[in-house]
Amino acid sequence: GEDVEQSLFLSVREGDSSVINCTYTDSSSTYLYWYKQEPGAGLQLLTYIFSNMDMKQDQRLTVLLNKKDKHLSLRIADTQTGDSAIYFCADGGGADGLTFGKGTHLIIQP
Amino acid sequence: DGGITQSPKYLFRKEGQNVTLSCEQNLNHDAMYWYRQDPGQGLRLIYYSQIVNDFQKGDIAEGYSVSREKKESFPLTVTSAQKNPTAFYLCASGNRIPNTEAFFGQGTRLTVV
Repeated sequence: GEDVEQSLFLSVREGDSSVINCTYTDSSSTYLYWYKQEPGAGLQLLTYIFSNMDMKQDQRLTVLLNKKDKHLSLRIADTQTGDSAIYFCADGGGADGLTFGKGTHLIIQP
Repeated sequence: DGGITQSPKYLFRKEGQNVTLSCEQNLNHDAMYWYRQDPGQGLRLIYYSQIVNDFQKGDIAEGYSVSREKKESFPLTVTSAQKNPTAFYLCASGNRIPNTEAFFGQGTRLTVV
């Protein structure tokens, strides 16, 4: 079946760049997504990339897609304490909606 | 404002009781979804509905039931058959395939006491 894999934790210093990686198995995905979840809250869509693109930039966020290797990454420039959250990678396009990874906890060190 | 609303935010249930979690959206989305979130498990799909009066089981449907009588509403009932119901439940809505994105509610934390 479809699978999305992410590391569970990432620790970075405030002001550095964070890079969160994700691999997926469904080659038919039309879009790939990054969601952010703060404690006790729902998921908020951060950004998404169409499968025929290899890069998308949106302010501090850069998404890179390597379709051949089925690898997706999210880079957050100048990481701030407010970026501390769980980040979910997801792929979609099927009738049952999105398939989510287990989420990466981003920990910011002062 | 357009959005997706879950209620209540916190819910306590005694063992052996059924409880119903509410999910309402005014985004005119056809598709709605229920996920369960446990620590370290990510999101697991319970049920989904692509259109009114139709719904499908997800990966962990046992012990749960849903209805989709109105486009705006997709309530989830956690039955007494669900052996480990304590979790954070998330409802989402979106357009039908090809999906663009899913919009999430703020979640309901269910605790069995």
